Amino acid sequence: GAVVSQHPSWVICKSGTSVKIECRSLDFQATTMFWYRQFPKQSLMLMATSNEGSKATYEQGVEKDKFLINHASLTLSTLTVTSAHPEDSSFYICSAAGLAGYNEQFFGPGTRLTVL
Amino acid sequence: GQNIDQPTEMTATEGAIVQINCTYQTSGFNGLFWYQQHAGEAPTFLSYNVLDGLEEKGRFSSFLSRSKGYSYLLLKELQMKDSASYLCAVMDSNYQLIWGAGTKLIIKP
Repeated sequence: GAVVSQHPSWVICKSGTSVKIECRSLDFQATTMFWYRQFPKQSLMLMATSNEGSKATYEQGVEKDKFLINHASLTLSTLTVTSAHPEDSSFYICSAAGLAGYNEQFFGPGTRLTVL
Repeated sequence: GQNIDQPTEMTATEGAIVQINCTYQTSGFNGLFWYQQHAGEAPTFLSYNVLDGLEEKGRFSSFLSRSKGYSYLLLKELQMKDSASYLCAVMDSNYQLIWGAGTKLIIKP
């Protein structure tokens, strides 16, 4: 099956700093990548959808200037949490779609962000 | 609005069978997915239904009725490792996945 990696798997940072999370599709070309956030005991919340080479589409309530998404190639998307605050602490998961003929998102292993 | 409903929590016994239901109301339909998510991990794909009927895959089966806006995930011969959250998600007319809140399944010996 398709493999999606995320880096780092966990990160601890100080309030006010920026954190970059990478999402890579290892064995297929991902035309679309999705970024999710999941708080403890809650379901996935879609933050934004990005297509390679174009601007990301953000969900309502997600600040695009705070959560910068870049999808520069068919195998890499990055999410940068700028000026992180403790309330940004969460589990961030990316997924990628693009295998021909199949509407499925393949998930990365997730990145746990803790902002002190 | 769009809505996915599934029970919050279910308990079952090792070796038994459990059925997790999901009802949905979405703008358009391009398939229904079931994912398994263990605590602290990302979801993993279990099944995809786009036509009515039952899809069987080993110990897991998924059923869909589009006219009723209803699906269920059936888990047979339950094992302790099946303890996880099970997420129902529907792809709408814009190919966006609409997620349910998940059903936490607790397996007891």
